[in-house]
Parts: sequence; structure tokens; C-alpha cells
Amino acid sequence: AQTVTQSQPEMSVQEAETVTLSCTYDTSENNYYLFWYKQPPSRQMILVIRQEAYKQQNATENRFSVNFQKAAKSFSLKISDSQLGDTAMYFCAFNNAGNMLTFGGGTRLMVKP
Amino acid sequence: NAGVMQNPRHLVRRRGQEARLRCSPMKGHSHVYWYRQLPEEGLKFMVYLQKENIIDESGMPKERFSAEFPKEGPSILRIQQVVRGDSAAYFCASSPTGVSGANVLTFGAGSRLTVL
Repeated sequence: AQTVTQSQPEMSVQEAETVTLSCTYDTSENNYYLFWYKQPPSRQMILVIRQEAYKQQNATENRFSVNFQKAAKSFSLKISDSQLGDTAMYFCAFNNAGNMLTFGGGTRLMVKP
Repeated sequence: NAGVMQNPRHLVRRRGQEARLRCSPMKGHSHVYWYRQLPEEGLKFMVYLQKENIIDESGMPKERFSAEFPKEGPSILRIQQVVRGDSAAYFCASSPTGVSGANVLTFGAGSRLTVL
């Protein structure tokens, strides 16, 4: 079974600075997909970024980028130029092309003005 | 194009009552997934349905919980004889085809169940 671990329960960052959220996972699969979801206080789950394991290039979406280290099974999220609206829970998730996403326990990010 | 619609957003039940949570997938999506989020935890997969079929219910508790996705109408997650441990946020997600990573799930805003 796959597991996803987020070792940082809470993080804080000053507005306009950069923060990195950690995620590690365990799998015996070679082809899979990794995701970061954002859950603001409204509780809506919003996809932030996605990475296919067979792609070596790290995914980037505007201020969000990932550092995907396949051998280390690590998938960290970097948020640049942090904004107050980035305050939320962030969940790392794994899919092995099966029927379900496996989520980590989440990291609560607070962006301070 | 409305997203995934869940209702009710909040539901309060007393122990022993039944809870029914509804989910209408995005237009054009025929695959529905239910996830449960306990307080301060990540989402846990419960069940995956297509129209009139349960494809994977490996995350569903064996008793008191059931799900359906009829030919017409929303998907329903039903919890019978609720207990305090059922208090959680229940999220529905949909996709146009089965999850393969390439197809991203679209989540609803969740239904928060509180059992008194």
C-alpha cells in the first residue's frame, strides 16, 4: 500500500518570501502521479500542481513549483513570493493510476503580513 | 459550468439517526468518488462509483455505510445509525473518466456532518 507523509504539521512565512513544504511517499510502482492540493478555510480542495513520475522536469505553475526527487521519493512544494491568500492547509497526494488518491496528513501554512 | 455540488453543506444528527449526503458531479463527468476527512487529518478514500455501479468500495466501512450513483440524480452517501465517530467532512469528487493521474479529480466543497 502507498503511504504519503508530510512531516511539517505547521509552517509560517512572511509575505513575499519563499517557503518549501515537504512530502515523502512510499511505493513500489514506477509509474504514478503526484499532486499538491490547497484547502483554504472554505474547505474547498483546490489543485495546485501535478507531476507525472515519468517526467524528469519539475512542474511549475506561476509562483508554485515542485522539487521531485524520484529516487528519494520526495515531492516538495515551493511557494515563491508568498501572498496572504496562500494561507491554507496543503495536502500532498499520490495516485498510481488506480482508483484512488492517497493523501498525506497536511501542512498548515500561515502567511504573515 | 457548475462544479461538483454537494449538499447539505452542514448536517447535524443525533446518535442513531441516518445521514444522507448528496453529490452532483460536474457536467459531463460520470465517475464519482467519496472521501472522508476527520478533524486535522488528510482525506481518506471511501468509494468510487460510476452510474449504477460501485467500482471500488475498499475504503468504505463494512457496516452502516452505503453509496449509490443512480442512472438519474445525484450520488448519495448514506450513513445509518450514526455515531459520534462519524463526525467528519465528507468530500465528493468527480472526473470525466476513471482516475489515471492524467485525469484530475474536481472536488466539491464538502459536507460537514456533526453527530451529537
